[in-house]
Amino acid sequence: QQQVKQSPQSLIVQKGGISIINCAYENTAFDYFPWYQQFPGKGPALLIAIRPDVSEKKEGRFTISFNKSAKQFSLHIMDSQPGDSATYFCAASIENSGYSTLTFGKGTMLLVSP
Amino acid sequence: NAGVTQTPKFRVLKTGQSMTLLCAQDMNHEYMYWYRQDPGMGLRLIHYSVGEGTTAKGEVPDGYNVSRLKKQNFLLGLESAAPSQTSVYFCASLSGGAAYNEQFFGPGTRLTVL
Repeated sequence: QQQVKQSPQSLIVQKGGISIINCAYENTAFDYFPWYQQFPGKGPALLIAIRPDVSEKKEGRFTISFNKSAKQFSLHIMDSQPGDSATYFCAASIENSGYSTLTFGKGTMLLVSP
Repeated sequence: NAGVTQTPKFRVLKTGQSMTLLCAQDMNHEYMYWYRQDPGMGLRLIHYSVGEGTTAKGEVPDGYNVSRLKKQNFLLGLESAAPSQTSVYFCASLSGGAAYNEQFFGPGTRLTVL
């Protein structure tokens, strides 16, 4: 049973455009929703994260929108740049479980064309 | 600080051979994790540890064993490698003790089982 569903699998956006990646979760106990960015040949790195007590979080060109009732959250990349080309993973965890284990989506490969 | 390091970076095994992957972190983190990454599957948790001397099973533990004898090291063992274990393996660590902490990932080990 896949607990975090991510779409699309791949995305091509022109430079300067908006990239949007969506995720949906099933477990209402999740209380932490990070996004990780991974460049080829590297390990994932935390990009931005949100807790369910807020509906939006913005850091520079990156914004997470969170809809608790719909159990969905999304990553928006404004003014997308070729350097943003990477694989993006959404994830969810239960922070007070004592384990802090992350459940990842399957990833979205983003290509920003020059 | 080196952060999270993994040894080796690449390895080719024959079916039935055994090997150990080493993960080391110098951030004094309590929690450590082993993931495998396969195309289109995202990152899946194999085993994790919430402290020295402790281990627990993740989503896909079969065929793997782990040990956490020292706080800074987390070893992943394959006793009898199978082609289905061909993957990229990532180790991660997390400080623990506070909510909403970031998992720091290593650079990965690419394993091929023939």
